Amino acid sequence: GQNIDQPTEMTATEGAIVQINCTYQTSGFNGLFWYQQHAGEAPTFLSYNVLDGLEEKGRFSSFLSRSKGYSYLLLKELQMKDSASYLCAVMDSNYQLIWGAGTKLIIKP
Amino acid sequence: GAVVSQHPSWVICKSGTSVKIECRSLDFQATTMFWYRQFPKQSLMLMATSNEGSKATYEQGVEKDKFLINHASLTLSTLTVTSAHPEDSSFYICSARDRLAGDSDTQYFGPGTRLTVL
Repeated sequence: GQNIDQPTEMTATEGAIVQINCTYQTSGFNGLFWYQQHAGEAPTFLSYNVLDGLEEKGRFSSFLSRSKGYSYLLLKELQMKDSASYLCAVMDSNYQLIWGAGTKLIIKP
Repeated sequence: GAVVSQHPSWVICKSGTSVKIECRSLDFQATTMFWYRQFPKQSLMLMATSNEGSKATYEQGVEKDKFLINHASLTLSTLTVTSAHPEDSSFYICSARDRLAGDSDTQYFGPGTRLTVL
């Protein structure tokens, strides 16, 4: 079957760095998305990786290794507003999205 | 874990026809379901929030007469794109909240339906 695994919850300190991992097993691969979702709001697009390597966008970076079925989202200089759920989703060979359950990130002062 | 399915996965239709997309929560009851539209490699745009047994709440700019939403049961919501046009071609995603879950904010997402209007 197809599945995506990411930690359920993580806690980090304001100003620190946190890495949220995502591993996947899917039928084919057409890209991996990271979304941020604050409670009660729609998910916000963070990144899209289709080739191996690191994509940096401000305080957020996303890494992909297709051979390992692995991605991570790196958040630097954490701010209180970064407290949210982070969703990993993979588009399979049929262009269907397979979603992880989300990682709830708690930032402490 | 909670599973949300969508049917169909793909649909191609002619301009002017109507298309119905189903969203089902397979192993839980969903009081609230959400319909999103995803543009290529971009954010999910919330179209409407659907509550079981009541009228859907549409986001600003979404035509309620064009995108008909019905949430007739706790496990099924449908989105009907009426008189579809090529600009309606998109990836439509639904999500559902588990009515009985402790974390009532958690949404479970469906795999999406790719609509192509010719």
